[in-house]
Amino acid sequence: GESVGLHLPTLSVQEGDNSIINCAYSNSASDYFIWYKQESGKGPQFIIDIRSNMDKRQGQRVTVLLNKTVKHLSLQIAATQPGDSAVYFCAEREDTGRRALTFGSGTRLQVQP
Amino acid sequence: SAVISQKPSRDICQRGTSLTIQCQVDSQVTMMFWYRQQPGQSLTLIATANQGSEATYESGFVIDKFPISRPNLTFSTLTVSNMSPEDSSIYLCSVDRRETQYFGPGTRLLVL
Repeated sequence: GESVGLHLPTLSVQEGDNSIINCAYSNSASDYFIWYKQESGKGPQFIIDIRSNMDKRQGQRVTVLLNKTVKHLSLQIAATQPGDSAVYFCAEREDTGRRALTFGSGTRLQVQP
Repeated sequence: SAVISQKPSRDICQRGTSLTIQCQVDSQVTMMFWYRQQPGQSLTLIATANQGSEATYESGFVIDKFPISRPNLTFSTLTVSNMSPEDSSIYLCSVDRRETQYFGPGTRLLVL
């Protein structure tokens, strides 16, 4: 297999538990944030996004929380399943017309059955 | 979402050679992006490619090493030139669609 996420911090949870993955960002001008899931051998898959005028957004089994004061983003996964095992990346973008993303370092989530 | 395909999906190349990676999108997009993901690392932007203009490269990436073409609104290529083992990475293209960025499956390159 490939070595994506080989050296990344790892979060290990039991199946059925809730997972919280954290991300700190440094650019106070960032106004749009995305969480991606990357499984082995695949490209990053969009999970959920949030704009800076919100502090919480919910999807199916996932919730993203944004704290602009401390420049912190978190992804909460409810009732974690083995299929959630992957590397998770946060990404940010400035509202300057520059559309490219800046990615965080990533966290590997391992779900124990 | 967007349907994005990349060719080749993986390759093993000899140092000093070049490889051209293709990215095809299912509908027209203004901006396409190329990222590199080195082993065990996160994604780093190489360049932004707009149709009809030269690509804009990020610091640390130059056109001579990573020439990019963008002949139309659904297609782009990235060439990795004069490869060395340090170029072994996953190369990913992405597009903007409705404010969100979607990624292709990546091209896994190993340079010997």
